[in-house]
Amino acid sequence: NAGVMQNPRHLVRRRGQEARLRCSPMKGHSHVYWYRQLPEEGLKFMVYLQKENIIDESGMPKERFSAEFPKEGPSILRIQQVVRGDSAAYFCASSPSLGSGAGGYTFGSGTRLTVV
Amino acid sequence: GENVEQHPSTLSVQEGDSAVIKCTYSDSASNYFPWYKQELGKGPQLIIDIRSNVGEKKDQRIAVTLNKTAKHFSLHITETQPEDSAVYFCAASKAAGNKLTFGGGTRVLVKP
Repeated sequence: NAGVMQNPRHLVRRRGQEARLRCSPMKGHSHVYWYRQLPEEGLKFMVYLQKENIIDESGMPKERFSAEFPKEGPSILRIQQVVRGDSAAYFCASSPSLGSGAGGYTFGSGTRLTVV
Repeated sequence: GENVEQHPSTLSVQEGDSAVIKCTYSDSASNYFPWYKQELGKGPQLIIDIRSNVGEKKDQRIAVTLNKTAKHFSLHITETQPEDSAVYFCAASKAAGNKLTFGGGTRVLVKP
């Protein structure tokens, strides 16, 4: 049973380019969360999605960032016109359902975005 | 919104000694408190969690205590080993599976 799969593991983009980060949740999980971790800091919540629905995007920057979790395929975190301050590790997590009582959710290994 | 404070930011212990990390939270509605271990270049891994209807939970060398009145919870690692060296994060949420608010992390170094 594969865990949460994120790709790419490392991504380098020039300022102004677009970054697309992918997350395939664990089998049977229908809830996906994205977190951002700046160097030497804790993780900050960005967005929570279920299939085809954004449930909570209170942590997403208002501009340039978007997320989706289509009916088929992985969840995508998209950053348009990247700037140096977007350099961070982006982690995805998945859970079977809200408040499942199964012990929370499982994180992927992250995508490390570097903007040059 | 929720705010989680974590102390200390770094902790160096001798192998075999105990390590204690403390966290406080602000939202009294929070009732799920997981702890994560993050090794270099990897994602956070859940090591133990506690819900607000429980005051203490233990799993081998790891234990967590929760004081809901004071809004603080702690992680205790006994008989530390070099492989315990990592960054540890506490977090809080209103339910397991809900969005988490993380503390700033504690870098633990276990010296052999």
